[in-house]
Amino acid sequence: GAGVSQTPSNKVTEKGKYVELRCDPISGHTALYWYRQSLGQGPEFLIYFQGTGAADDSGLPNDRFFAVRPEGSVSTLKIQRTERGDSAVYLCASSPTRDRASTGELFFGEGSRLTVL
Amino acid sequence: AQSVTQLDSHVSVSEGTPVLLRCNYSSSYSPSLFWYVQHPNKGLQLLLKYTSAATLVKGINGFEAEFKKSETSFHLTKPSAHMSDAAEYFCVVTRGGGNKLTFGTGTQLKVEL
Repeated sequence: GAGVSQTPSNKVTEKGKYVELRCDPISGHTALYWYRQSLGQGPEFLIYFQGTGAADDSGLPNDRFFAVRPEGSVSTLKIQRTERGDSAVYLCASSPTRDRASTGELFFGEGSRLTVL
Repeated sequence: AQSVTQLDSHVSVSEGTPVLLRCNYSSSYSPSLFWYVQHPNKGLQLLLKYTSAATLVKGINGFEAEFKKSETSFHLTKPSAHMSDAAEYFCVVTRGGGNKLTFGTGTQLKVEL
């Protein structure tokens, strides 16, 4: 597709369940980011991939959160034992190169809205 | 550490009148500053960026912002608002050359006829 694609667009789950959120970046983009946007707040950084490796995961809130990008394209954000406080919109962004990413030029998807009941 | 403060959570203007969205930053390093826009049900889109070149930065759709180091500000302006400008606007800072964007809490712009 032309832009960053995120699935599902909406996910409702129960407390304690496991959730996976998928991000399909723009083809050829090497840098990939996950952000989380809670209601009334700006997006908060979670993790950054350069290629297949997580270059910076300092924003992951705890060890229930994990993300992978095994082939350097699609990424999956995994949340174990979900809690009500995990409810938010999870945003994925990509950038063509590390240099473009370092100048703030990110291309964002529309997000996956997670609701934990 | 770096942060941005967006001084207004909501701004309402009439179509054809000027727009001013205020942002102050705090950074221990030479910052790079950006404005992103988020239309309903759309992804965030880069509006403009300042990366230590010209202090007056022009972006898309007639928006511009001026970096003022003495005031630690990076306010977003547009001479004449259009209905299509109604959206949420985020001021963003990153350490020069850094990969982690720090977003403000956003300003919801409403444009009335």
